[in-house]
Amino acid sequence: DTGVSQDPRHKITKRGQNVTFRCDPISEHNRLYWYRQTLGQGPEFLTYFQNEAQLEKSRLLSDRFSAERPKGSFSTLEIQRTEQGDSAMYLCASSRLGETQYFGPGTRLLVL
Amino acid sequence: QQQVKQSPQSLIVQKGGISIINCAYENTAFDYFPWYQQFPGKGPALLIAIRPDVSEKKEGRFTISFNKSAKQFSLHIMDSQPGDSATYFCAALSAATSYDKVIFGPGTSLSVIP
Repeated sequence: DTGVSQDPRHKITKRGQNVTFRCDPISEHNRLYWYRQTLGQGPEFLTYFQNEAQLEKSRLLSDRFSAERPKGSFSTLEIQRTEQGDSAMYLCASSRLGETQYFGPGTRLLVL
Repeated sequence: QQQVKQSPQSLIVQKGGISIINCAYENTAFDYFPWYQQFPGKGPALLIAIRPDVSEKKEGRFTISFNKSAKQFSLHIMDSQPGDSATYFCAALSAATSYDKVIFGPGTSLSVIP
């Protein structure tokens, strides 16, 4: 399967704990995006990378969130000191510059 | 403030019927309008997309109609099937920002009943 993959698919954590999600984009896609989707809503943009450079961060991305794409391939999204409001589906997408974004299956986070 | 509005929120259609979902946008910089289909537990998948230089695009049972002057577009699903039951999102992107983010509508939950 050569699509976007995300790991883990599900994560349950206690409030205050740190969590890290991984995204592996489609190979040769130089752009990688993170979105957050809450129940009954459309995905909302969080941040994106072109190669290893993080080019934009949404205001939704508080200081507790950090994303990296160290070698321009896979990316990680870390949430520190999780809060119940962080419970959502975290989606990763990838694309070539100016082309269609392809989404992964998402990581569903539940903060208790 | 929602940049892309979508209606209805939910839709029930009988098998074989036509499903129609409507969207509207405000930002005239948007110039690429995809529709995504999402099944429970899955990420959104691109279904069909249109640019504002055409008024209609058809792929199989799926048709997008686009009204540039009204800043509205719609998805028509002909001969709807139970397998079409999913959440549909209209979306918009802009070349002015190198298509760097997809702006999604709030979604329409479609149920096709046998």
